Amino acid sequence: QVQLVESGGGLVKPGGSLRLSCGGSGFTFSDYYVTWVRQAPGKGLEWVSYISSRGDTIFYADTVKGRFSISRDNAKNSVFLQMDGLRVEDTATYYCARGGWVYKMDVWGQGTTVTVSS
Amino acid sequence: QSVLTQPPSVSAAPGQTVTISCSGSSSNIGNNFVYWYQQLPAAAPRLLIYDYSRRPSGIPDRFSGSKSGTSVTLAITGLQTADEADYYCQTWDTSLNIVVFGGGTKLTVL
Repeated sequence: QVQLVESGGGLVKPGGSLRLSCGGSGFTFSDYYVTWVRQAPGKGLEWVSYISSRGDTIFYADTVKGRFSISRDNAKNSVFLQMDGLRVEDTATYYCARGGWVYKMDVWGQGTTVTVSS
Repeated sequence: QSVLTQPPSVSAAPGQTVTISCSGSSSNIGNNFVYWYQQLPAAAPRLLIYDYSRRPSGIPDRFSGSKSGTSVTLAITGLQTADEADYYCQTWDTSLNIVVFGGGTKLTVL
């Protein structure tokens, strides 16, 4: 069935790095934008970044610009979020979703949890 | 503070109708499609409404969306306890060049 699965979350110290992965299946992955959305504990949804279907259009939220980098490998049906210079305030569940920008986000992964703490 | 404004909470009894508002501006809701998402407790968000008023397959017609100017409204009729969740509106802001979410509305079915 159509699904997205995130992985790569974990516990990291401030200033550290993590690389999240989002794998898609059940659809033509290369046809779709992919978006990362995060949710801090007890808070609302916050858009993080998106990447176009071919990877030639990328946008970031100001809160992560310069620290996070999104990329994709359509041959592996995967999108990645490289997170460097992590801060305590980056602690959240990170979701990847199919779509974004002006497109509906119609398929969501189950989320992966990132905890930044000393 | 979110670019899109939603009430923090709404409540109603089973069987009744509830509406959730989401207000923005001409650079977002006024000129771009709006989406609604439902997030059940401890679950990932789920697309509920797209392009202001269309429902994905599997979403019951108890859920409906509408737009007026720079505001949109989600209506839920025939409330069920299973509808207790957080609801978020979302669109694109042309001036800020970012995806924007509302702050979310917690629905309690009394």
